[in-house]
Amino acid sequence: AQSVAQPEDQVNVAEGNPLTVKCTYSVSGNPYLFWYVQYPNRGLQFLLKYITGDNLVKGSYGFEAEFNKSQTSFHLKKPSALVSDSALYFCAVRDNGWDNDMRFGAGTRLTVKP
Amino acid sequence: GAVVSQHPSWVICKSGTSVKIECRSLDFQATTMFWYRQFPKQSLMLMATSNEGSKATYEQGVEKDKFLINHASLTLSTLTVTSAHPEDSSFYICSARGRDSLYEQYFGPGTRLTVT
Repeated sequence: AQSVAQPEDQVNVAEGNPLTVKCTYSVSGNPYLFWYVQYPNRGLQFLLKYITGDNLVKGSYGFEAEFNKSQTSFHLKKPSALVSDSALYFCAVRDNGWDNDMRFGAGTRLTVKP
Repeated sequence: GAVVSQHPSWVICKSGTSVKIECRSLDFQATTMFWYRQFPKQSLMLMATSNEGSKATYEQGVEKDKFLINHASLTLSTLTVTSAHPEDSSFYICSARGRDSLYEQYFGPGTRLTVT
C-alpha cells in the first residue's frame, strides 16, 4: 500500500525567501505524486504533479517540486515566498495502478511572514 | 478544467437526523468518486471509493451503514450520514476521476457538517 509522510507540521519563512515543504513517499510500484494547497474552509487546489519524465516539475503560482527516486522524496519549493502562499499544503501519492486511490500526507502549514 | 461541486457547502443538523451531501462533476463524466473526511488541522482520510453503478468500497473502520454512498450516475454521487452524532461533525470532501483521466483527480470545495 502506498503512503506519504510530511515530516514538518509547520514551516515558517519570511516573505521573499525561498521555501521548501518536504514530502517522502512509499509505494510498491512507480509513484504518481501530487501537491495540493488548501485555504481555510476550502477544498483542495491542485498545484502540480509528477507522473514521468523530467524530475523537476513546475506548477501553479511559481511552485515547483523535484522527484528524487533514490531518496523517495518529492519536496515542494518556491524561490521567493509570498504572504499569500500561507496555507496548508498536502503531498499525495498514488501507486501506478488505474484503480489505486490517492493517499495524503498529514499536511504542512506554511506561514509566510512579511 | 474539470470542476467538481458539492452541495451544501455547510450544514447544521440535530443529533439523530440524517443529512445528504451531493457531489457533482460539472463538465466530465466521473467514473470513480472518492469521499474523504477531514478533521480540524488534520489530513484527508479516505472513507470510500465508488464506481458508477457499483457498490462503494469502504475503508477499514468506516461504517457503511452509517455513511451511505450512492453513485447512481456518471455525474453525481451522494453521501448520506445517517443518525448523525456530534462526533460525525467534520469537513467532508469528494473527489472525482474521469474515464480518461489516468492521473487526475479533481476535488470538490468540501462540506462542513456540524451536528448539534
